Amino acid sequence: DTGVSQDPRHKITKRGQNVTFRCDPISEHNRLYWYRQTLGQGPEFLTYFQNEAQLEKSRLLSDRFSAERPKGSFSTLEIQRTEQGDSAMYLCASSGYGTSGEETQYFGPGTRLLVL
Amino acid sequence: GDSVTQMEGPVTLSEEAFLTINCTYTATGYPSLFWYVQYPGEGLQLLLKATKADDKGSNKGFEATYRKETTSFHLEKGSVQVSDSAVYFCALSFPFSGSARQLTFGSGTQLTVLP
Repeated sequence: DTGVSQDPRHKITKRGQNVTFRCDPISEHNRLYWYRQTLGQGPEFLTYFQNEAQLEKSRLLSDRFSAERPKGSFSTLEIQRTEQGDSAMYLCASSGYGTSGEETQYFGPGTRLLVL
Repeated sequence: GDSVTQMEGPVTLSEEAFLTINCTYTATGYPSLFWYVQYPGEGLQLLLKATKADDKGSNKGFEATYRKETTSFHLEKGSVQVSDSAVYFCALSFPFSGSARQLTFGSGTQLTVLP
């Protein structure tokens, strides 16, 4: 299977610690997205890369959050000085183009973060 | 800004019942519309999509028609199965635009199908 993969699937950390998540997109996709999903809600957009360039960031992405995509392949999302409010599922998606030229996003399984 | 409103759940049905999950949207312009499904403990899977008015998306017995006049994209299935139990998300995006490509999701509708 060559879908989007994320690592780790689960992370438990103590408040104030730093955490880093990894996303490996579908190999031919050059766009990559990060979303955050809290319990009972739909995912909310965090940031977006086209190749290695970070083109858009949501106001949800505070200065404790940083994302990178070196060489336009895998991406990492780091949260510094974690807070209990950061507890959520972090979803990664990569996108390709359909037969009509439209973009469709495909999601990974997510990383569930619990901050104690 | 753009937004998606879904009917609130949870929805509980018996196997073989008819399913409708309502979805309406607010957007400037003409977005593409999507239904994603999330099974317990998993990420989102694309279920179906429609890119322009009057298009019908379909997959695995599910259907949804893009209605511009009512700004709606209701999800339907004629006969649900226990395996359809999941959370369903309606979403929109502007995939042909030069920016704002992110998906905007509704809050999700939990479906439980009983045998």
